[in-house]
Amino acid sequence: EVQLVESGGGLVQPGRSLRVSCAASGFAFEQYAMHWVRQVPGKGLEWVASVSWNSATILYADSVKGRFTISRDNANRSLFMEMESLREGDTALYYCARDESGTATGGMDVWGQGTTVTVAS
Amino acid sequence: SYVLAQPPSVSVAPGKTARVSCGGDNIGSKSVHWYQQRPGQAPVLIISHDTARPSGIPERFSGSNSGNTATLTINRVEAGDEADYYCQVWNSNNFDYVFGAGTKVTVL
Repeated sequence: EVQLVESGGGLVQPGRSLRVSCAASGFAFEQYAMHWVRQVPGKGLEWVASVSWNSATILYADSVKGRFTISRDNANRSLFMEMESLREGDTALYYCARDESGTATGGMDVWGQGTTVTVAS
Repeated sequence: SYVLAQPPSVSVAPGKTARVSCGGDNIGSKSVHWYQQRPGQAPVLIISHDTARPSGIPERFSGSNSGNTATLTINRVEAGDEADYYCQVWNSNNFDYVFGAGTKVTVL
């Protein structure tokens, strides 16, 4: 079964850091680009970051550029996002999603169930 | 930044046709992807690259894209189609991915 499972979310104080992870199974992880997308409860979807299959291309939304770092470990079929200088506005459900392509030019065809990040004092 | 405009809501009777629009500057030159998100669930890709239906998506769902508007069409609407629908594009001008604000489809 093709599956993505996020973990690592939690409650963190403003200004602190957090690392979320996504474990992939059931498909050739190393062949696909991957994304992080977040959603504030009751609101819409917001793209956060993307990484190509070989990590040669990495892109960030302006709202997180310079604070978040996306990375992947193809050997261990895992996707990560290191989030620094967290703000209350970063509070959201964070989804890991697979791109249809290796270069992140397709739709996002597999999604995890998300991990919740809450930034509050 | 590139903006995708979707109507906040669309209402449709069972068995009828729902159309959800997604407006953007010259969106016809971009590939549009559509997602369905039921309450409490993760999004599901239902249309990719304007018109392609991923495996397992019913033929009742179709997409089109031309000029400044892309459209998701749901034929023979069922109660289970009640959900939020999002359009999304890759914006090569700004190297980012843009989602529309979403349209809530209500089945009367």
